[in-house]
Amino acid sequence: GNSVTQMEGPVTLSEEAFLTINCTYTATGYPSLFWYVQYPGEGLQLLLKATKADDKGSNKGFEATYRKETTSFHLEKGSVQVSDSAVYFCALSRIDSNYQLIWGAGTKLIIKP
Amino acid sequence: GAGVSQSPSNKVTEKGKDVELRCDPISGHTALYWYRQRLGQGLEFLIYFQGNSAPDKSGLPSDRFSAERTGESVSTLTIQRTQQEDSAVYLCASSSERTGTQYFGPGTRLLVL
Repeated sequence: GNSVTQMEGPVTLSEEAFLTINCTYTATGYPSLFWYVQYPGEGLQLLLKATKADDKGSNKGFEATYRKETTSFHLEKGSVQVSDSAVYFCALSRIDSNYQLIWGAGTKLIIKP
Repeated sequence: GAGVSQSPSNKVTEKGKDVELRCDPISGHTALYWYRQRLGQGLEFLIYFQGNSAPDKSGLPSDRFSAERTGESVSTLTIQRTQQEDSAVYLCASSSERTGTQYFGPGTRLLVL
């Protein structure tokens, strides 16, 4: 079946460090891939997405590239800020399953000044 | 409004009582989804609506849970005879057929005492 696996947290970094949060998926066909972010006390927000192989999603300095050969969609940012502290969720959806989102468990990111 | 709205934002109830949670999707979005997020965990799919019908109810955890949607707009999630394990944040999302990207409401935080 479809599944998403992302690295366990919490991930703790210093401000201006480089960030990678790994995400791999299992799915047949061609899913769309997403990163959502949940800031403390707030709801889920779409951070970025990619709908086909080799697409790169980007937003707010974050990037992720849809790698079909490695079934991965790793989230990266070159220089993190304290305000990036949040929980990050990787997810996939497929047209033939009503666009239902299959979620990773979430990775809590803590950025220290 | 421009986004998905949910009410109430917080609900405290006693074990055994019924609760109704409401979701107003983005205008024109035909698909509507309900999820549950327990403290410190990822999202759990509950039910999906396409228009007013629910082709996928596979995530509803028991027959105490039900949902309806009217006018291809507002949806209500009802939990009967609430139990303490129902305590969670209940999230609603909507999407258009064109993109399939889901946009989330702020959630209803339910606490069953």
